[in-house]
Amino acid sequence: RKEVEQDPGPFNVPEGATVAFNCTYSNSASQSFFWYRQDCRKEPKLLMSVYSSGNEDGRFTAQLNRASQYISLLIRDSKLSDSATYLCVVIGGSSNTGKLIFGQGTTLQVKP
Amino acid sequence: NAGVMQNPRHLVRRRGQEARLRCSPMKGHSHVYWYRQLPEEGLKFMVYLQKENIIDESGMPKERFSAEFPKEGPSILRIQQVVRGDSAAYFCASSPGGRNEKLFFGSGTQLSVL
Repeated sequence: RKEVEQDPGPFNVPEGATVAFNCTYSNSASQSFFWYRQDCRKEPKLLMSVYSSGNEDGRFTAQLNRASQYISLLIRDSKLSDSATYLCVVIGGSSNTGKLIFGQGTTLQVKP
Repeated sequence: NAGVMQNPRHLVRRRGQEARLRCSPMKGHSHVYWYRQLPEEGLKFMVYLQKENIIDESGMPKERFSAEFPKEGPSILRIQQVVRGDSAAYFCASSPGGRNEKLFFGSGTQLSVL
């Protein structure tokens, strides 16, 4: 089983749509969680951290469910510029040296 | 404040040659991570270094690959006797240190093995 799993998509949505991505992780001792964005295989860029209480940044909302080992990202009012690959990222548990573990990414294509 | 600098951006090698990829972390960052991204796949952790020390090399292939981060100068990822399967994007990231931290990535080196 992969340490971090995502549905690779692609998700094809019209502008203005709301889209949700899901991610599961296998190590229950994982400590930190992030969503990164990667455009056209350029360098990944941090989109937002994910907290148990949930957090929102403009049109983006991230949620963490530790009991289910599940992370989500919700994008409201999709823009053409949101087209990218979204990477679910986890920092492992106590035996982990702090390295980031990436999911394979979910591709989003927003169409006019 | 310059970001993480990687060079070269593109590197072409013939099978059997050596590839040397360089990474200069952000100013003030002493922790460096190397990741590899194969075509159509996600980023895979390779190695984590702190100045002059390898902290975690659990993702490094056992043969042909090595990494260093000397006291002075950039971090180097070295691949000896490259094969076509080594063709990938290699990303370096840095952080100031500690756990639960965000990483800052360089633009990557695209290695193509002919």
